[in-house]
Amino acid sequence: AQSVTQPDIHITVSEGASLELRCNYSYGATPYLFWYVQSPGQGLQLLLKYFSGDTLVQGIKGFEAEFKRSQSSFNLRKPSVHWSDAAEYFCAVGGGTSYGKLTFGQGTILTVHP
Amino acid sequence: SAVISQKPSRDICQRGTSLTIQCQVDSQVTMMFWYRQQPGQSLTLIATANQGSEATYESGFVIDKFPISRPNLTFSTLTVSNMSPEDSSIYLCSVRQGREETQYFGPGTRLLVL
Repeated sequence: AQSVTQPDIHITVSEGASLELRCNYSYGATPYLFWYVQSPGQGLQLLLKYFSGDTLVQGIKGFEAEFKRSQSSFNLRKPSVHWSDAAEYFCAVGGGTSYGKLTFGQGTILTVHP
Repeated sequence: SAVISQKPSRDICQRGTSLTIQCQVDSQVTMMFWYRQQPGQSLTLIATANQGSEATYESGFVIDKFPISRPNLTFSTLTVSNMSPEDSSIYLCSVRQGREETQYFGPGTRLLVL
């Protein structure tokens, strides 16, 4: 069965600092990997996705993520965080025989200090 | 990406009553999904709704409690029946587009059951 682990429940960074949110997955085949962001009171917005090819993917709002098969990881990064990035971030995995279903991690809440 | 709307955006209901949530997409899609996000939790898939067939429910979710309709390729409804306070959650619909199985989410329906 597929699963996703986001080890950090809550992360606090200062505005302008770099950010890395961790995501580890378990999946029996080549995964499709996604990062979504949920701002307070909002739905989920897709930040980026990995399907195949280049393991470093660029997303919206200056985010990027790197797929590392050997480590079963898909960590999200941003070089300089803005106060508007404060939100909850979800990593998700799908693909193969999942028939379109996604499995989500528990989420990481990001707080940004001025 | 698809533009998805949900109605109502939020509601407060009495226990024992039922609420029907609507999901409208601006383009035709084959696969639609309904998720539940309990307070402080991640997303849990309730069911997959394909047009022209019965919805497929995940373990722990049953049709009598969460009946789903999918009358056409742009619309679906989820009913939360005989509600109890434990049903207080955000309910989100999503659609799958593209070969990478990317899912796009609606803004969610915030339900509080008293």
